[in-house]
Amino acid sequence: SQQGEEDPQALSIQEGENATMNCSYKTSINNLQWYRQNSGRGLVHLILIRSNEREKHSGRLRVTLDTSKKSSSLLITASRAADTASYFCATPREGNTPLVFGKGTRLSVIA
Amino acid sequence: NAGVTQTPKFQVLKTGQSMTLQCAQDMNHEYMSWYRQDPGMGLRLIHYSVGAGITDQGEVPNGYNVSRSTTEDFPLRLLSAAPSQTSVYFCASSYSGTPYTEAFFGQGTRLTVV
Repeated sequence: SQQGEEDPQALSIQEGENATMNCSYKTSINNLQWYRQNSGRGLVHLILIRSNEREKHSGRLRVTLDTSKKSSSLLITASRAADTASYFCATPREGNTPLVFGKGTRLSVIA
Repeated sequence: NAGVTQTPKFQVLKTGQSMTLQCAQDMNHEYMSWYRQDPGMGLRLIHYSVGAGITDQGEVPNGYNVSRSTTEDFPLRLLSAAPSQTSVYFCASSYSGTPYTEAFFGQGTRLTVV
């Protein structure tokens, strides 16, 4: 069964606005990752946050992790049309065995 | 480096036919995985391998076989294709030396079974 569940399923915003996506997971983890998928393409890694980290930044991306609530959020600031994509959270099944993905959030940024 | 290469990009099969989806990586990664992606379902793990000669089942393994004879290659075989196997298939690889490692994905194979 899938480990992560993203919320919302779909999000539509204007260019320049911030986009926030949430992810909940079920079991203990040592890290949580976020990926982006452009339409018809493979997934691309965005950021990894370790279980002992609460917040991490990368460019316009900000990820938070709350292990007590088993949840994470991805914030994209000052969104651009090029950010239009699906975003997935993923966690390792056990140790560093394959990642388990959520169903994703489909983000549309309107110019 | 080419990264993860999947072939073919598109394939149409008739019910009952068999085929092999190819996946190759040139990053010397021990871990390789196959996922399928269906609308509204996200990515589901089919099979994975933690090294040459070692494979294991994922969430949805029925109807698929894998083998791993080399570090570079991890083919996925459909034994007798069914319409329910219509999907987009992704291969991924990652470094095994640490759990804090990203996965690299191929561009996918879009399979239609009629």
